[in-house]
Amino acid sequence: NAGVTQTPKFQVLKTGQSMTLQCAQDMNHNSMYWYRQDPGMGLRLIYYSASEGTTDKGEVPNGYNVSRLNKREFSLRLESAAPSQTSVYFCASRKTGLIFYEQYFGPGTRLTVT
Amino acid sequence: SQQGEEDPQALSIQEGENATMNCSYKTSINNLQWYRQNSGRGLVHLILIRSNEREKHSGRLRVTLDTSKKSSSLLITASRAADTASYFCATDANFGNEKLTFGTGTRLTIIP
Repeated sequence: NAGVTQTPKFQVLKTGQSMTLQCAQDMNHNSMYWYRQDPGMGLRLIYYSASEGTTDKGEVPNGYNVSRLNKREFSLRLESAAPSQTSVYFCASRKTGLIFYEQYFGPGTRLTVT
Repeated sequence: SQQGEEDPQALSIQEGENATMNCSYKTSINNLQWYRQNSGRGLVHLILIRSNEREKHSGRLRVTLDTSKKSSSLLITASRAADTASYFCATDANFGNEKLTFGTGTRLTIIP
């Protein structure tokens, strides 16, 4: 099992450019998440998807869009990148059911917007 | 806004000593989880404690939960250099909500 994979690992964008961050999981998890991590801020939830076909906003959704392409894949799109979106982005997935489960994280994408 | 706040923000101890870090949160929870993040890597789940539990152990980890004080602590005993990492608490507020809210983390450094 590869777990949660993310591409790319690093990206540099100019202000106004667009890009899509890809995430895939092979654990058959229902829920998937996108977070950003800034120094001293911990992780903040951007969007999440509780199941295939559904997406919901998290704490900091402005400037981002997401697509739950299928059960395995959850992508994050920056339509017009801004320097404030310089951050490390993590994708995570989680099994859901009648009890609580932990989240599994990908290795992250380090994005710099100049 | 952050649900959890870890204390201290940074902690340095000698190898072999015990490390204790604390987490406070604001709203009622269903469970609280602790995660570790090594530098430049994703988070790894350590332990989950449910709201009806007061203490839980896993290897060298001991977690306590006090729902009346809305606080939790993570104790790492007999620390090792490999324990150097950032540690985050995360709270699960509402069943069915499917969201975890993370704290700001404690940076732990183990001095060999």
